[in-house]
Amino acid sequence: KAGVTQTPRYLIKTRGQQVTLSCSPISGHRSVSWYQQTPGQGLQFLFEYFSETQRNKGNFPGRFSGRQFSNSRSEMNVSTLELGDSALYLCASSPTLAGGRGQYFGPGTRLTVT
Amino acid sequence: AQSVTQLGSHVSVSEGALVLLRCNYSSSVPPYLFWYVQYPNQGLQLLLKYTTGATLVKGINGFEAEFKKSETSFHLTKPSAHMSDAAEYFCAVSGNNNNDMRFGAGTRLTVKP
Repeated sequence: KAGVTQTPRYLIKTRGQQVTLSCSPISGHRSVSWYQQTPGQGLQFLFEYFSETQRNKGNFPGRFSGRQFSNSRSEMNVSTLELGDSALYLCASSPTLAGGRGQYFGPGTRLTVT
Repeated sequence: AQSVTQLGSHVSVSEGALVLLRCNYSSSVPPYLFWYVQYPNQGLQLLLKYTTGATLVKGINGFEAEFKKSETSFHLTKPSAHMSDAAEYFCAVSGNNNNDMRFGAGTRLTVKP
């Protein structure tokens, strides 16, 4: 099976712009989660989607949003970018909502905000 | 709330030596526990997981971890380190019915020749 894919791998944006990141989960996986990884804050949970519905949300401002399509692919959007949004954004997929199945991560999208 | 604490942000071992990376968890319910590895410029790879059953869990690349409820620990070990083990390792905990995974701060493993 193909792994989790994320596009693009690298992005450079300017403060105030918006950005959309894309994630394709492993075939058959219906849960997609997003994480932000920074040197200062480490890995932080953004949100999880399952069957096109947001099931869980981390402690991030409303500028961070996402959606999931009927084929389980997911997109994450960040509006009005700030310098502090520079990070590696990781997408992870899992077969179900059950936490014990574990998650499988993509290579990430590295976002740089200038 | 569930959380994990990784003791030691940086561990250095010699090639062939024992690898021990420490993780303690906090959870009000039986947790699901995981170890992930991250190589530079890559995503996270699942090494092993504990859900229920046997407390000694074997993973990929010769790693294993033991769930000790009395010590609230889930330490990762490998009998003999290889140069290729140099990476960052993350311990994580998740709930029963969601994938809101909480990660530790990570431990960077260096392997000296």
